[in-house]
Amino acid sequence: DAGITQSPRHKVTETGTPVTLRCHQTENHRYMYWYRQDPGHGLRLIHYSYGVKDTDKGEVSDGYSVSRSKTEDFLLTLESATSSQTSVYFCAISVPRARSSYNEQFFGPGTRLTVL
Amino acid sequence: RKEVEQDPGPFNVPEGATVAFNCTYSNSASQSFFWYRQDCRKEPKLLMSVYSSGNEDGRFTAQLNRASQYISLLIRDSKLSDSATYLCVGGGADGLTFGKGTHLIIQP
Repeated sequence: DAGITQSPRHKVTETGTPVTLRCHQTENHRYMYWYRQDPGHGLRLIHYSYGVKDTDKGEVSDGYSVSRSKTEDFLLTLESATSSQTSVYFCAISVPRARSSYNEQFFGPGTRLTVL
Repeated sequence: RKEVEQDPGPFNVPEGATVAFNCTYSNSASQSFFWYRQDCRKEPKLLMSVYSSGNEDGRFTAQLNRASQYISLLIRDSKLSDSATYLCVGGGADGLTFGKGTHLIIQP
């Protein structure tokens, strides 16, 4: 258990409304990520964070913003939701692998968002 | 553009058989490679990290060929519980690039 929770787990909203998804980790890992998963596509990176207040864009960042005011929480905000943002959103943390220079990513349970 | 390509399947395989998946990646700068398993409507779960020297974990063997930009996964003595979608993944600290997944169905 990587100690990652996401909230809400399901949400239905209307076009044009703001939506914030929360990712919470119980450990103090530095790197956190937001991905979306859609049929016909692999998971795609939206934004990531490499520390408190340090974030960067991923492949599909348009229409999304993020914030990380404390290590354990990474928020994803859709300022004005559109139907194209209907998706499953996964948060991930990067965990150093013991006795290795590799990091491995572990995923939260996901949030199913429907924008009508 | 970073891409990971894999055969979507489905692979229909009898229980007990050996099955092999392959994938190719386009970004030679990718530092790490992984196989994830994803069950329907669940999050991806890390199956194995993939090293240049190859690695084995029980019935699962993964290989990485950096020269050919090719990754493989071998599952021996397949079980019904191995039915899932297998995701080939590459990347580094700035995020992972996922293949679209290979769907595996183990038949009794």
